[in-house]
Amino acid sequence: GNSVTQMEGPVTLSEEAFLTINCTYTATGYPSLFWYVQYPGEGLQLLLKATKADDKGSNKGFEATYRKETTSFHLEKGSVQVSDSAVYFCALSDPGDDYKLSFGAGTTVTVRA
Amino acid sequence: DGGITQSPKYLFRKEGQNVTLSCEQNLNHDAMYWYRQDPGQGLRLIYYSQIVNDFQKGDIAEGYSVSREKKESFPLTVTSAQKNPTAFYLCASSIQTGQSNQPQHFGDGTRLSIL
Repeated sequence: GNSVTQMEGPVTLSEEAFLTINCTYTATGYPSLFWYVQYPGEGLQLLLKATKADDKGSNKGFEATYRKETTSFHLEKGSVQVSDSAVYFCALSDPGDDYKLSFGAGTTVTVRA
Repeated sequence: DGGITQSPKYLFRKEGQNVTLSCEQNLNHDAMYWYRQDPGQGLRLIYYSQIVNDFQKGDIAEGYSVSREKKESFPLTVTSAQKNPTAFYLCASSIQTGQSNQPQHFGDGTRLSIL
């Protein structure tokens, strides 16, 4: 079956620090990969996506590269802000599983001024 | 603005009661989904629907029921058979399920608590 594994949190950083959240996956087919962000009390918002190997998704200073050889999709940002404090979810959509989304457990990130 | 509206934002249920959570979308999306979110467990799929008048069970469907009578609406009923209903419930939609690269769009959720 499909599964997504994210690095455990919580992660606490100072402003302007470098952020990496590791994500690896197992899929039966050839999935598309996503990062979603959830701010307190809200639903999930799509942060970025990648649909094939070596694609790089980017948005709001965040980047992630689809690495088929290592089955990974690590999220990075070079200089975080307090407003980046949120829960981040890695997810995959597998055509071999009716295109349903499989989510990681989420990583809570707190950025201190 | 197009989007997904979930109501109410907070909902309280007494033991033995059924409650229905509303989800409406004006994005003209074909597919709709219900997820349950518990602390530290990510999101788990309850039910999904790819087309009007059709829906499928997700990973944790027991104790829940849905209907899809209109394209815009996908209400979720939490029945008394659901023994641990306290959670944050999220509704989502996507343009179609035939393409895995189409992202799902989420509502702001309903937090259900047992009195």
